[in-house]
Amino acid sequence: AQSVTQPDIHITVSEGASLELRCNYSYGATPYLFWYVQSPGQGLQLLLKYFSGDTLVQGIKGFEAEFKRSQSSFNLRKPSVHWSDAAEYFCAVSTDKLIFGTGTRLQVFP
Amino acid sequence: NAGVTQTPKFRVLKTGQSMTLLCAQDMNHEYMYWYRQDPGMGLRLIHYSVGEGTTAKGEVPDGYNVSRLKKQNFLLGLESAAPSQTSVYFCASEATPDEKLFFGSGTQLSVL
Repeated sequence: AQSVTQPDIHITVSEGASLELRCNYSYGATPYLFWYVQSPGQGLQLLLKYFSGDTLVQGIKGFEAEFKRSQSSFNLRKPSVHWSDAAEYFCAVSTDKLIFGTGTRLQVFP
Repeated sequence: NAGVTQTPKFRVLKTGQSMTLLCAQDMNHEYMYWYRQDPGMGLRLIHYSVGEGTTAKGEVPDGYNVSRLKKQNFLLGLESAAPSQTSVYFCASEATPDEKLFFGSGTQLSVL
């Protein structure tokens, strides 16, 4: 069965620092991969997705993610974090259904 | 453009009571979903629908029922609420599978 793991429950970074959020999946083939963001009290919003092709995917709000088949990973990155990026981030994988990871809460200090 | 609207936003129930959560979307999407979000568990799919008049079970369907009588509406029912159903419930919709989910702002439900 497919599964997705986000090893970091909570990450704290300083504003302007770089960011990498980890996501690993378990599935025999390459699934569809997604990153969603949830601001406090809100629903989730799609940041980016990977289906095939170029393994470096650009998303909204300056985020990007890189698919690495050999590591079964789809890590989310941003070169310079802004205070407004503080939120919870969910990785998700889809084969026949969309399965969400447990989320990583990002805190940004000024 | 409202997108996905959930009502109510908050609700407190006593054990054994029933209620219905309403999800409405104005994007003419075929696919609609109900998720629950619990701390440390991410989002788990309760039920989903691939079109008007259809419903299917997700990962955690027990204790819930759904109906999709109109394309734009997806109702989630709790017939006899239990404390284990205390959660935040999200509705989502999309035009085609794996395209892009549009989420409502959630319903916070407490069952005492």
